[in-house]
Amino acid sequence: DAGVIQSPRHEVTEMGQEVTLRCKPISGHDYLFWYRQTMMRGLELLIYFNNNVPIDDSGMPEDRFSAKMPNASFSTLKIQPSEPRDSAVYFCASSLLLGESNYGYTFGSGTRLTVV
Amino acid sequence: TQLLEQSPQFLSIQEGENLTVYCNSSSVFSSLQWYRQEPGEGPVLLVTVVTGGEVKKLKRLTFQFGDARKDSSLHITAAQPGDTGLYLCAGRGSQGNLIFGKGTKLSVKP
Repeated sequence: DAGVIQSPRHEVTEMGQEVTLRCKPISGHDYLFWYRQTMMRGLELLIYFNNNVPIDDSGMPEDRFSAKMPNASFSTLKIQPSEPRDSAVYFCASSLLLGESNYGYTFGSGTRLTVV
Repeated sequence: TQLLEQSPQFLSIQEGENLTVYCNSSSVFSSLQWYRQEPGEGPVLLVTVVTGGEVKKLKRLTFQFGDARKDSSLHITAAQPGDTGLYLCAGRGSQGNLIFGKGTKLSVKP
């Protein structure tokens, strides 16, 4: 398997523009997570899905953020309108199981978002 | 709220030195994992510890889970430049998902 695939790797956009980040999880993994990483706050969980259904979106900062998982092999995180404070590295991760000690998360390489 | 505090936040050492980084919480975790993140990449799982007092070794890396399952440490012997990266601990939360610390950024200079 090629692992978790994220695109684009880098995104530079102007304030107010819509940004869409994409993720393809590992085939067969039932759980998909979206994280945001900054120096100040570390890794923050934004939302996670189980079998394509959003389970916990309490980490989504505000209504400007939305996430979808239309099928088991694709998810998007959309920011509309984007603001400079959204600049961060966004990671997607997938996992086979939740709550099982020996199962970890497999992370993608991330999307570095810069909003100017 | 279950939180994990990692220390030190930054560590810069010379090749060949030994080091220990810590992961502490006031909460009990059923298991704890350590990840390493290299620049420009996502975190990669190194190890999972489950039993209080458990010690696991991965070449020059030694991981220990505290007896009360509230803390963990990572010891690196004879550090090498290839060990450079961000080390993250993550505890299994009450809902089964992972709760991450902010990490220790390690730099090993040749």
